[in-house]
Amino acid sequence: DSGVTQTPKHLITATGQRVTLRCSPRSGDLSVYWYQQSLDQGLQFLIQYYNGEERAKGNILERFSAQQFPDLHSELNLSSLELGDSALYFCASSESTGATYEQYFGPGTRLTVT
Amino acid sequence: GDSVTQMEGPVTLSEEAFLTINCTYTATGYPSLFWYVQYPGEGLQLLLKATKADDKGSNKGFEATYRKETTSFHLEKGSVQVSDSAVYFCALSDRGSGGSNYKLTFGKGTLLTVNP
Repeated sequence: DSGVTQTPKHLITATGQRVTLRCSPRSGDLSVYWYQQSLDQGLQFLIQYYNGEERAKGNILERFSAQQFPDLHSELNLSSLELGDSALYFCASSESTGATYEQYFGPGTRLTVT
Repeated sequence: GDSVTQMEGPVTLSEEAFLTINCTYTATGYPSLFWYVQYPGEGLQLLLKATKADDKGSNKGFEATYRKETTSFHLEKGSVQVSDSAVYFCALSDRGSGGSNYKLTFGKGTLLTVNP
């Protein structure tokens, strides 16, 4: 158990819908990362927050957005869903931000868009 | 940009065999290197890391040495067990072109199956 929690574990929804994925980092961790894992793209970085502020962006679509709240939990919002958005979405947290800090991953949310 | 190349497998071994999974990288800065393991239906678990040249990361019998001259971080284990069957990911964290993006860049993963 990494100490990172994600809800829900599974999500099935239809094209065009909007969903929210939630992540609670390990106690004391200030940095939250979101990654997408799909068969064709592998593991791709989406976005990072550090202590409530957006820190870095990766291959995140404009239909996707995220935020980190004062209690440091984070939410990833996916809208106008398409079939290709079906994937595993992982949240990871680290104590701070920097290359030497380990990132600890949650169990993931499996999103299926039908 | 940064990239990680690892042998994609699948790799199939018998119990107690020697394991090597090759990993090489390209990076603009001076990255930290990681191996993560993903068991079926689970998230990624950090297996080991190394943050500077010639560092050796080790955990649960697995080892990897940060080789700057060959830009490699090969994963090894002397005697694998059935319970080691999983997907192994090599990854790096670097400053990125903007100087502040410490995202993990992953290889495509190597599926290891260990038979009794």
